[in-house]
Amino acid sequence: SQTIHQWPATLVQPVGSPLSLECTVEGTSNPNLYWYRQAAGRGLQLLFYSVGIGQISSEVPQNLSASRPQDRQFILSSKKLLLSDSGFYLCAWSHARDPYTFGSGTRLTVV
Amino acid sequence: SQQGEEDPQALSIQEGENATMNCSYKTSINNLQWYRQNSGRGLVHLILIRSNEREKHSGRLRVTLDTSKKSSSLLITASRAADTASYFCATDVLGAQKLVFGQGTRLTINP
Repeated sequence: SQTIHQWPATLVQPVGSPLSLECTVEGTSNPNLYWYRQAAGRGLQLLFYSVGIGQISSEVPQNLSASRPQDRQFILSSKKLLLSDSGFYLCAWSHARDPYTFGSGTRLTVV
Repeated sequence: SQQGEEDPQALSIQEGENATMNCSYKTSINNLQWYRQNSGRGLVHLILIRSNEREKHSGRLRVTLDTSKKSSSLLITASRAADTASYFCATDVLGAQKLVFGQGTRLTINP
């Protein structure tokens, strides 16, 4: 069966420090991969999505970047975190028009 | 900007009552999906309705879709305390490979 792993679950980082969040999918191949961010009590904002290795689409210009070094690996990065980068980050995968499967999320607090 | 707008933002009802949440969107869609999120967790897919469907059922869930009004509703019948969560609609936008989420409805079921 397909599973999605996202880590870490929580992270507290100082302003100006780098960030690397990793998401991996098991049990499927060539998934579409997505990074969303959710502010407290709000909806999900799509940050990046990828339909294949090395293919990254950015939805919102910001302090973050994404990479897909392997078919089932999606990484969200930042060179220097800002206070406004705090939030709940969710990774998801899907095929074509199928429903998304979400990871359990990473709570990032930038202090 | 967010594609979907849920209404109401928050809903509190007694256990056993029915809960209705509404969603409006702006562009043409392939399908519309509803997701549930327990506090601090990832999203879980509930039901998908295609653009050529008008109504769909799954257990205690009933979803309607009116593409002429660009709106959808989610009905949860005979609510239970365990239904307490946030509910999001998401539109699979025609011509895109991504889901756009609304702001969500926070549902509280009082025992």
